[in-house]
Amino acid sequence: AQSVSQHNHHVILSEAASLELGCNYSYGGTVNLFWYVQYPGQHLQLLLKYFSGDPLVKGIKGFEAEFIKSKFSFNLRKPSVQWSDTAEYFCAVMPGYSSASKIIFGSGTRLSIRP
Amino acid sequence: EAGVAQSPRYKIIEKRQSVAFWCNPISGHATLYWYQQILGQGPKLLIQFQNNGVVDDSQLPKDRFSAERLKGVDSTLKIQPAKLEDSAVYLCASSLGTGKNYEQYFGPGTRLTVT
Repeated sequence: AQSVSQHNHHVILSEAASLELGCNYSYGGTVNLFWYVQYPGQHLQLLLKYFSGDPLVKGIKGFEAEFIKSKFSFNLRKPSVQWSDTAEYFCAVMPGYSSASKIIFGSGTRLSIRP
Repeated sequence: EAGVAQSPRYKIIEKRQSVAFWCNPISGHATLYWYQQILGQGPKLLIQFQNNGVVDDSQLPKDRFSAERLKGVDSTLKIQPAKLEDSAVYLCASSLGTGKNYEQYFGPGTRLTVT
């Protein structure tokens, strides 16, 4: 069965530090990849997505992610975090074999930023 | 535009009782999803509707969970009887269509505690 692994459950950084959150998935076929974010008290929302083409994708608020097919990874990065980036981040995969929309989420990484 | 609405926001019940959650998707969104998010895990798709038809209910525990979207707009998810392990946040999401090109918009969720 397909699965998504986020190895860091809780990351604590100071403002202006660089961020990289790891994400690995297990599926050998075509995949569509997503990062979602949930800010405190807010709804889950899409941060960025990758379907095909340039493996480096840029999302909102200065975030980017790189798809490395050989490593089955889709890590999220930000060069300089802000206190407002405090949130929970979920990596997700939608297998490309189906026209349906089933998204498989990782368990999430909680990011805390020290002001 | 108004987002996905869910009610109630919180519910506490005893095991073996029944409970129902309601979701009103974004106007015009044909596809509606119910997810279960257990504490410390990512959301897991329970059921997906396209208009009033079921697209995927492979992970819905059908012996106790049921869902309907009779008029192709709002939807109800029911649990009867509830078990302790059903304690979770139940998220509703909607999208214009089915597939990777249609972003899913999430509601605030209903937090269920089964005692």
